[in-house]
Amino acid sequence: GIQVEQSPPDLILQEGANSTLRCNFSDSVNNLQWFHQNPWGQLINLFYIPSGTKQNGRLSATTVATERYSLLYISSSQTTDSGVYFCAATSGTYKYIFGTGTRLKVLA
Amino acid sequence: DADVTQTPRNRITKTGKRIMLECSQTKGHDRMYWYRQDPGLGLRLIYYSFDVKDINKGEISDGYSVSRQAQAKFSLSLESAIPNQTALYFCATSEGRRAFFGQGTRLTVV
Repeated sequence: GIQVEQSPPDLILQEGANSTLRCNFSDSVNNLQWFHQNPWGQLINLFYIPSGTKQNGRLSATTVATERYSLLYISSSQTTDSGVYFCAATSGTYKYIFGTGTRLKVLA
Repeated sequence: DADVTQTPRNRITKTGKRIMLECSQTKGHDRMYWYRQDPGLGLRLIYYSFDVKDINKGEISDGYSVSRQAQAKFSLSLESAIPNQTALYFCATSEGRRAFFGQGTRLTVV
């Protein structure tokens, strides 16, 4: 089955800094999503992005399906951006396979 | 109200006890999933169902069973709980593109 890898595993930023999170996948995907898990454990949908580029406020994401990776950009980070960011993908079947996440801490 | 509702939200149970985690959805999706999250790991798939008559094992189904009582309801059971099953459990639904998650059930087996 498809393998999903995320990097970096941990990231510490000062408030106001920008960051890029990466998600690599081992096979072609038919679905790809980015999630934010907040400190209370809730999974928040950020982007559905099997290909192309999307933006939502300070966040944007790009998936280059032919090269099997996706990037999540966070600009002007805020303390409320802290938490764990996951990407999840399906390939062929509709089983969502998750990466192990990037743990982000934004310092005030 | 949440589109995907899990009950209970928190549960402490003893080793050897049977426990059921419930999930209901109002999104009208056919596809439903149960995942488990352990500290430092991503979410791992336990079971999934693409319709009421279709139940499939995920990557870590040992020690678990499921029941799809209706399109909107998908329950996960631990027949004889063990401490190793202490984790955060998530239910999810999908229309075939995006997945939508419940708020999670934090289960502790002592």
